[in-house]
Amino acid sequence: DTEVTQTPKHLVMGMTNKKSLKCEQHMGHRAMYWYKQKAKKPPELMFVYSYEKLSINESVPSRFSPECPNSSLLNLHLHALQPEDSALYLCASSVVGGDEKLFFGSGTQLSVL
Amino acid sequence: GENVEQHPSTLSVQEGDSAVIKCTYSDSASNYFPWYKQELGKRPQLIIDIRSNVGEKKDQRIAVTLNKTAKHFSLHITETQPEDSAVYFCAASKNNAGNMLTFGGGTRLMVKP
Repeated sequence: DTEVTQTPKHLVMGMTNKKSLKCEQHMGHRAMYWYKQKAKKPPELMFVYSYEKLSINESVPSRFSPECPNSSLLNLHLHALQPEDSALYLCASSVVGGDEKLFFGSGTQLSVL
Repeated sequence: GENVEQHPSTLSVQEGDSAVIKCTYSDSASNYFPWYKQELGKRPQLIIDIRSNVGEKKDQRIAVTLNKTAKHFSLHITETQPEDSAVYFCAASKNNAGNMLTFGGGTRLMVKP
């Protein structure tokens, strides 16, 4: 299995809602990532988990809360988002060190109304 | 931190012609340089990568060259086909805890039949 699976594919939420994005991989990768991608822009790194511990937070607002329950799962909890947070949210995974190839999921297209 | 510049932002070629996309990076410690292809509404997919101990790498119609001294690397696509039409992103990273890719701004390649 060489896939990173993300759910849901699309999400529309109001600014007072709480929602979660989910990501799953079964490649045995111990590094998992959240990226945000606005239209016609490159992906921007948000968080990195290494061995299920948060290793990098790129100064992301606290309305985004990541969670890594185990080595296969990565969640992104969303609360009180703003319309400017509308974007494609990409999950990715890789081995830690050595071969750094990053495998991306198909993303969740998020719209905040 | 790392800064990656990518040119051109758009590139239109006739089917069968070659396409070249160029990137420069700022951090001399960067040692891994992948290229991703992203079709509209889809995930970024790794198409080729190169490490700093190699000057050139080729995979069928795709090749990447790296000049460490000048801190630039390029993607070459020969015999372009309409299905090569997509946005291409270069990236750079250092091998540390988690693969912190810094992406270039992207190149929209259009191959006209």
